[in-house]
Amino acid sequence: DIQMTQSPSILSASVGDRVTITCRASQDISHWVAWYQKKPGKAPKLLIYTASYLEDGVSSRFSGTGSGTEFTLTISDLQPDDFATYYCQQYNRYWEGIFTFGPGTKVDVK
Amino acid sequence: EVQLVESGGGLVQPGRSLRLSCAASGFNFDDYGMHWVRQTPGKGLEWVSGINWNSETVHYAESVKGRFIISKDNAKKSLYLQMNSLSPEDTALYYCAKDRTFDSSGPFDSWGQGTQVTVSS
Repeated sequence: DIQMTQSPSILSASVGDRVTITCRASQDISHWVAWYQKKPGKAPKLLIYTASYLEDGVSSRFSGTGSGTEFTLTISDLQPDDFATYYCQQYNRYWEGIFTFGPGTKVDVK
Repeated sequence: EVQLVESGGGLVQPGRSLRLSCAASGFNFDDYGMHWVRQTPGKGLEWVSGINWNSETVHYAESVKGRFIISKDNAKKSLYLQMNSLSPEDTALYYCAKDRTFDSSGPFDSWGQGTQVTVSS
């Protein structure tokens, strides 16, 4: 099975900061990674797909890079609405029905 | 606007069954794959099951294989999850999610608000 890890697990930041979250896969997954934002009591929101493509309607302050086993989500000019938990997800082997989420990174107020 | 509304959750005893429903609107339900994803405080997000646009392809997580059945009724614009032989480990908030593609290959671009399932005696 493909395992996904994220670092850090908690990231303390201030409004205006640039923050970076790293996601690592246990094997090569090409560019088949998505990033989601999750707030308490709200549905997850797709931010980035195929490692670097910005979902429609998502702020350009969010960006994604990476391929193979290492991926990053960067939030520039952190806004109050960005404090949330962020999850990466791999969908490299969808034909086998394997979709794995990372454990999440909580971005909170420093 | 895409809307996904889950229902059917509740408190159920171990070993019993429950059927979740997800009513979809705001998009052509026929054309997209759909999924169920659950969240527990300890385990984060866990994909449970997926189905392609015409129900020809279904997949399950190992943790639910043989116990859960996903189905899709395009005429009713609804997604279902029949959950049998429930155990306390199935306790979670269950989300219905729309795939970005027709073949349930991911990722998931719209989600419902979730329905809580609690398995306890």
